[in-house]
Amino acid sequence: SAVISQKPSRDICQRGTSLTIQCQVDSQVTMMFWYRQQPGQSLTLIATANQGSEATYESGFVIDKFPISRPNLTFSTLTVSNMSPEDSSIYLCSVARDTFGEQYFGPGTRLTVT
Amino acid sequence: TQLLEQSPQFLSIQEGENLTVYCNSSSVFSSLQWYRQEPGEGPVLLVTVVTGGEVKKLKRLTFQFGDARKDSSLHITAAQPGDTGLYLCAGPSGGGNKLTFGTGTQLKVEL
Repeated sequence: SAVISQKPSRDICQRGTSLTIQCQVDSQVTMMFWYRQQPGQSLTLIATANQGSEATYESGFVIDKFPISRPNLTFSTLTVSNMSPEDSSIYLCSVARDTFGEQYFGPGTRLTVT
Repeated sequence: TQLLEQSPQFLSIQEGENLTVYCNSSSVFSSLQWYRQEPGEGPVLLVTVVTGGEVKKLKRLTFQFGDARKDSSLHITAAQPGDTGLYLCAGPSGGGNKLTFGTGTQLKVEL
């Protein structure tokens, strides 16, 4: 397993501003993932972050809006840029471990944009 | 794109009742995982099923992988309020350890 922490746990931001979310893992991992989730609904993958290379974004998500850093094997950040109320959501990071790619998640960051 | 449809979407039951959650796809998956998510937390892995027809038990929870590896089910016996949460199935897709998550089942167990 892996222990993952995220900061901040929640925030309320004004439209047009940016927020950087941090994800820290207690062990070295190759791949980290960033998801978005509406409360009570399923997860949507934003991007996959590998150390030492550019993040790979899923359809509908772009680097200018969600820049990601991965400076080492235990840490990553996701920035939500130029926020609008539509960006209000829960943002989760995860890492893949074990044989079948099972993922371990951080507690999430609940973002509200006003 | 491999899709995973879960049913029901919502389930509200009384303590002590039994329930089954279904996870269906038109695609074959090499394995399927089940997660439970409680409010304010990230999803937590419950089990991975790998072999078609496999049945795994975790206390009062029974997981089954379909023979054709296109579907899975989660059965809870004598549900308790602590079982309340969002249940998600997920399967590997797209390579690179990426997962496709199911549509989710929100379960509420009341006293």
